[in-house]
Amino acid sequence: IAGITQAPTSQILAAGRRMTLRCTQDMRHNAMYWYRQDLGLGLRLIHYSNTAGTTGKGEVPDGYSVSRANTDDFPLTLASAVPSQTSVYFCASSEVGGSSIEQFFGPGTRLTVL
Amino acid sequence: GQNIDQPTEMTATEGAIVQINCTYQTSGFNGLFWYQQHAGEAPTFLSYNVLDGLEEKGRFSSFLSRSKGYSYLLLKELQMKDSASYLCAVCDSNYQLIWGAGTKLIIKP
Repeated sequence: IAGITQAPTSQILAAGRRMTLRCTQDMRHNAMYWYRQDLGLGLRLIHYSNTAGTTGKGEVPDGYSVSRANTDDFPLTLASAVPSQTSVYFCASSEVGGSSIEQFFGPGTRLTVL
Repeated sequence: GQNIDQPTEMTATEGAIVQINCTYQTSGFNGLFWYQQHAGEAPTFLSYNVLDGLEEKGRFSSFLSRSKGYSYLLLKELQMKDSASYLCAVCDSNYQLIWGAGTKLIIKP
């Protein structure tokens, strides 16, 4: 693994179903982030984690949950998917949280909720 | 509220110069980033400005004026591979990035 990986690459999901998007980084970065990207809008932060064992809410956290059991993994769960959660989801990481520092992005997961 | 504005789309000619502007209003300021995003791919870091002035990095330069809430990205000697979206993002007082919607740059031969 080099950098950040996300799985699945894409997914079509029925409304009401539960879904977990996976994110793994091998850079030993302390901070990790989940964004969604929608056409005509900027990237919007869903949740973040400044270090293993801690998480925080971003701009659009409703309907999503995260966990950070270790440094490398930061899964995003949709407990009961709705069509408005159709989006491209990017996971990102940075060496340090709570600072102005470059973020590295994974390749993204394209999610369609029908 | 927090707001980042940049043009939706720009067109330029191969070999030419293009300037992509970004204006911002945010709660606090801890630096401004420019990222490049090719269609269907992840954003990748281009530049970071925290002090006023021009930062040059090869064909790309980025300028910041904090008093005006303004930045631009300057791309010189445009190449076809520069066709992409360019994202402006401001790091706010909570050290979270606030993103603009991006500027799609189309390069014509």
